[in-house]
Amino acid sequence: GQSLEQPSEVTAVEGAIVQINCTYQTSGFYGLSWYQQHDGGAPTFLSYNALDGLEETGRFSSFLSRSDSYGYLLLQELQMKDSASYFCAVRFMNSGYSTLTFGKGTMLLVSP
Amino acid sequence: DGGITQSPKYLFRKEGQNVTLSCEQNLNHDAMYWYRQDPGQGLRLIYYSQIVNDFQKGDIAEGYSVSREKKESFPLTVTSAQKNPTAFYLCASSPSGTYNEQFFGPGTRLTVL
Repeated sequence: GQSLEQPSEVTAVEGAIVQINCTYQTSGFYGLSWYQQHDGGAPTFLSYNALDGLEETGRFSSFLSRSDSYGYLLLQELQMKDSASYFCAVRFMNSGYSTLTFGKGTMLLVSP
Repeated sequence: DGGITQSPKYLFRKEGQNVTLSCEQNLNHDAMYWYRQDPGQGLRLIYYSQIVNDFQKGDIAEGYSVSREKKESFPLTVTSAQKNPTAFYLCASSPSGTYNEQFFGPGTRLTVL
């Protein structure tokens, strides 16, 4: 099966930088995705890493190390609107079908 | 505007009743998914479909059923066999070959009394 570990909660102040880590165990690994979900809302896609290294999209960056089964999401210049839950998800192949398994999420609280 | 719609936003049912949650997309995506989310938990996959008239069980399919008669529609039925059906249900879709990026609907919060 698949399992993912990420911290349950992270706190930071506006303007700061925060890193949310994700470690995973899976077979048939294809890549690691990150999603953001505001309270009561729909998850929205942030980034995807299939290869080792850093992917940058504006204030958000995501990193993957396949050899360490580890990735992280880096949020820079934090804003109050970044307060949300962040989920890592592994993409894997199972009997010819590709699906995602999500972690339990990290709640980010940004304070003034 | 393209997107995914789920209705209703809130749904209340009595224990022992089956209930069907609607999911429609006009993104022309081949793949569609149903997830369940409980408070403080991640998303758990119930069923998925990568093509019309074909669907697969996810990690927690017991007590649920689906159909995929049209590309744009993927309704989920929560049956009376589901022991703990109260949860937030999310539908998603993705284009073929881009299964890592899924587009989610607004969700249906089901409460069974």
